[in-house]
Amino acid sequence: AQSVTQLDSQVPVFEEAPVELRCNYSSSVSVYLFWYVQYPNQGLQLLLKYLSGSTLVKGINGFEAEFNKSQTSFHLRKPSVHISDTAEYFCAVRSGNTGKLIFGQGTTLQVKP
Amino acid sequence: SAVISQKPSRDICQRGTSLTIQCQVDSQVTMMFWYRQQPGQSLTLIATANQGSEATYESGFVIDKFPISRPNLTFSTLTVSNMSPEDSSIYLCSFVAGGPPGELFFGEGSRLTVL
Repeated sequence: AQSVTQLDSQVPVFEEAPVELRCNYSSSVSVYLFWYVQYPNQGLQLLLKYLSGSTLVKGINGFEAEFNKSQTSFHLRKPSVHISDTAEYFCAVRSGNTGKLIFGQGTTLQVKP
Repeated sequence: SAVISQKPSRDICQRGTSLTIQCQVDSQVTMMFWYRQQPGQSLTLIATANQGSEATYESGFVIDKFPISRPNLTFSTLTVSNMSPEDSSIYLCSFVAGGPPGELFFGEGSRLTVL
């Protein structure tokens, strides 16, 4: 069975500092990987996705993620965060053609001034 | 991209009652899903809403508690039956855009509080 582990429940960081949110997955088949963001009292918005091809994926709002098959990881990074990046971030995996996503537990990014 | 809307956006319900959440997409989609997000938690898949057949439920979720309808390719409903305070959650519908492995779009969610 597939699973997703987000290693940090909370990540506090100062504004303009770099950040990395960690995500590991387990799956025995090829996977598609996603990062979603949820701002307070809002729905989920896709940040970026890895389907195939280049392992470095660029998304919206300056975020990027790198797919590492050997380490089964898909960590999210941003070189310089803003206060407005404060939100909940979810890593998710989908395998094959099932369509459904399995989500990690989420990481709360807290950007401090 | 397709637009997805849910109703109600929030509601306060009494224990023992049932509430039906509606999800409308502005274009035809093949796969629709219902998720639950309990307070401070991640998203858990409840079921896949299949058009013209019964929904496919995930482990821990049953049709008697969460009956789902999918009468056509643009609409689905989720009913939360015989509610208890433990059902207080955000319920989100979602759909796949463009077929697998397409992106999963989410509605804004329906925030239910059960007293």
